[in-house]
Formats: sequence, structure tokens, C-alpha cells
Amino acid sequence: NAGVTQTPKFQVLKTGQSMTLQCAQDMNHEYMSWYRQDPGMGLRLIHYSVGAGITDQGEVPNGYNVSRSTTEDFPLRLLSAAPSQTSVYFCASSYYRGPADTIYFGEGSWLTVV
Amino acid sequence: KNQVEQSPQSLIILEGKNCTLQCNYTVSPFSNLRWYKQDTGRGPVSLTIMTFSENTKSNGRYTATLDADTKQSSLHITASQLSDSASYICVVSARTGGFKTIFGAGTRLFVKA
Repeated sequence: NAGVTQTPKFQVLKTGQSMTLQCAQDMNHEYMSWYRQDPGMGLRLIHYSVGAGITDQGEVPNGYNVSRSTTEDFPLRLLSAAPSQTSVYFCASSYYRGPADTIYFGEGSWLTVV
Repeated sequence: KNQVEQSPQSLIILEGKNCTLQCNYTVSPFSNLRWYKQDTGRGPVSLTIMTFSENTKSNGRYTATLDADTKQSSLHITASQLSDSASYICVVSARTGGFKTIFGAGTRLFVKA
């Protein structure tokens, strides 16, 4: 079972470059989200989606774009990378039936912006 | 302000010993509380989920407790193993239209032989 798959695992970008972090899930989950994890802090929500064609901003959306053209895929785009975006990024998915639905996380993408 | 505070920040124990991790929250209105285990270099994996009416939930050697009145939760690990070395993250969701989820910074547990 693949679960939530993220690519790439590691990436180094130069300031000002753009890139896309890919996320795919094979569990037919309606809800997908992107988080960033920084040292000493809890995961913070960047963007989320409750279904194909529907996206919304989370806690820290600036500098990131998302789209949800299919149920399976939820890519995160960095428009013009900045050193402050150096972080570990996690994609997550779940059903959207209620608050107790288990959230499944991908393995993470380590991004360094120099 | 919705917050989740975990203590201790890090903990070192000997293999076979028990330990308890703490989580205090100010998230309101409370919906549910989850504990996750995150191995180094991996994504978080769910251990337990508790709603308002539940005050204890077990998953093998992991037992989570919840006191919704004092807004405190604990995760007790029994007979620790080397593979328990990981970060343990407390996550609290608030019922606010959708479901707002607040992550604690985690407790880093080191189990030594």
C-alpha cells in the first residue's frame, strides 16, 4: 500500500527559483493538506483541500500555491524560493467525515534554500 | 489563543523503563486530541485519537489519558524499547466551522540500552 507519496525527498534551491513538491494518495481521501515543520515548532498548515477543485489557505500560506485537479494529487508550488522557506514539508490526507478521522502523513520533503 | 504545549522537550530513559509525556492545551472548543509518533526522517504516524467523552485509550504499550476539564493529556509508554526512540507529538483539534488542528512541538524521547 503506497499511502501518501511525496517527491522529491531532498531538494536544494537557489533564492528566487521556483519548484513544485508533488503529493499523491491512493486512499480516495477527500481531505489533503500541506504542512511545514521547523525546529522547535509544531507542524504548521500551509494550504488544504477538501476535494477536487477546492483549496483554501492555512496558517502560513504566503509564498506557496496549490491546486487540486484530481482527488489523488495535491502539488505544492513555491513561487520564488526564499531562505525562510527552508524546512521539512509534509503532505497529509484523510477522509472528511468527522474530526476523529485518522490523518496519514507522507515521508516528508527536505527543502533547503540557499 | 489556541495553543498546545508539550513537556518535557526531551527525555532520556533506559530500555525497559516506563515514561510519561505531558500535553497541555488551550484549544477551544475542543473536538479531539491525538498522539503521533514521528521517527527521525519520517512522517508522523497516528498512535491514539480521543474525543471529549474518552479519558483513556491504549495502543499496545502506549496509553493516552485525557482530562478535558483541566485540558491535559498524557502519553504513558510501558516497558520502553529502543524502537520507541522518536518524537511524540500531541495534536488538538477545535471544532470551528471546519476543524482547526494545532500541533505541539513534540517531545523527543531517547531510549538507551
